[in-house]
Amino acid sequence: DTEVTQTPKHLVMGMTNKKSLKCEQHMGHRAMYWYKQKAKKPPELMFVYSYEKLSINESVPSRFSPECPNSSLLNLHLHALQPEDSALYLCASSQVEWTGQANTGELFFGEGSRLTVL
Amino acid sequence: SQQGEEDPQALSIQEGENATMNCSYKTSINNLQWYRQNSGRGLVHLILIRSNEREKHSGRLRVTLDTSKKSSSLLITASRAADTASYFCATGGNYGQNFVFGPGTRLSVLP
Repeated sequence: DTEVTQTPKHLVMGMTNKKSLKCEQHMGHRAMYWYKQKAKKPPELMFVYSYEKLSINESVPSRFSPECPNSSLLNLHLHALQPEDSALYLCASSQVEWTGQANTGELFFGEGSRLTVL
Repeated sequence: SQQGEEDPQALSIQEGENATMNCSYKTSINNLQWYRQNSGRGLVHLILIRSNEREKHSGRLRVTLDTSKKSSSLLITASRAADTASYFCATGGNYGQNFVFGPGTRLSVLP
């Protein structure tokens, strides 16, 4: 069983709605990630938080707004999305293990939130 | 940007056969990881191999890494129907290249 919990599992929203995806982990990991995955494609990195601070933003449109309220929680706020934003949104966490210049900790994934934008 | 590229993109084998998937990457890495994803679910970490390692085993999994060719392979021996999934390699390397996933190999193991 995954130790990263994502809610909701499914979300349908209109283009004018505001909604949030939530992610929680209790493994003591200090790095948390949001990935977006389209059908039959690999996960694409969106954001990385390290010690509750945003460390990587992969040029994600501002209609996606991440938030890390504490070391266990990660949110993704959604506003004015487009139909092409429909995808599986995956949250992951890891230890922060710096080797050289990279965080090399193993990623633990949640089961994802499947988002449909109408 | 995609760092790893898996080959083949789809593989269909009979139960009991071995499955080999390859991953190529472009820039220098610190480590390479393999993940499995059952349809529509989250990814599960399988194995990590560091840049100074050449081979690693975990149960029925064998991973090799050739940094001179910038490639890795994942071998699953004595495959089972439950191994049916997509397999992704992910590279961890220089700063900003955290866990970039390749396109994946969809493995089907037929009973």
